[in-house]
Amino acid sequence: EAGVAQSPRYKIIEKRQSVAFWCNPISGHATLYWYQQILGQGPKLLIQFQNNGVVDDSQLPKDRFSAERLKGVDSTLKIQPAKLEDSAVYLCASSAYTGDYGYTFGSGTRLTVV
Amino acid sequence: AQTVTQSQPEMSVQEAETVTLSCTYDTSESNYYLFWYKQPPSRQMILVIRQEAYKQQNATENRFSVNFQKAAKSFSLKISDSQLGDTAMYFCAFLYPPMNYGGSQGNLIFGKGTKLSVKP
Repeated sequence: EAGVAQSPRYKIIEKRQSVAFWCNPISGHATLYWYQQILGQGPKLLIQFQNNGVVDDSQLPKDRFSAERLKGVDSTLKIQPAKLEDSAVYLCASSAYTGDYGYTFGSGTRLTVV
Repeated sequence: AQTVTQSQPEMSVQEAETVTLSCTYDTSESNYYLFWYKQPPSRQMILVIRQEAYKQQNATENRFSVNFQKAAKSFSLKISDSQLGDTAMYFCAFLYPPMNYGGSQGNLIFGKGTKLSVKP
């Protein structure tokens, strides 16, 4: 099966600019996750969708981050305006509950804010 | 709140030897899942092994095995016959709840990772 697709792979922006990341999950996976992975740390959940509804966005900095999952398939994560501390890898993952608690991760977008 | 701690930022091992990566976690729950993920430079997280907390038997996957000590809240990963391709970041992760209300799979909580280098 095709994997989780993410784009772009790399992005460099200046602080206070805006940026958007795109994720296309595994076909049929109802649950989609966005994680932020700062250098030297493990991934931290930003937002979780079930179909096109939000399950958990408690750690999403809502004053600057937003995410949507239209039609319960693709998802977009946006940052506006970006800060230096937003420099990180943004990972998208998807899952379908089949009882094996599997997650499929994309290769992420590395964001550098200068 | 659940937390995951990996106390070894970096480790190295000679090819063909055995190495053990440590992980401890904190939870008051009894039904949960634990994972080890590998992250090579490509950045994609790859599942190495999974353990259900209600199972006493330690999980094994080929050269990878775990030592799960539920009372001690410890979940270490043993890699036998290390290969150059095992060089990567390794993350311990905790899943709770397995299922959210509404039927979606829960969220993974990760440790900070251990950088493993396998030397020829």
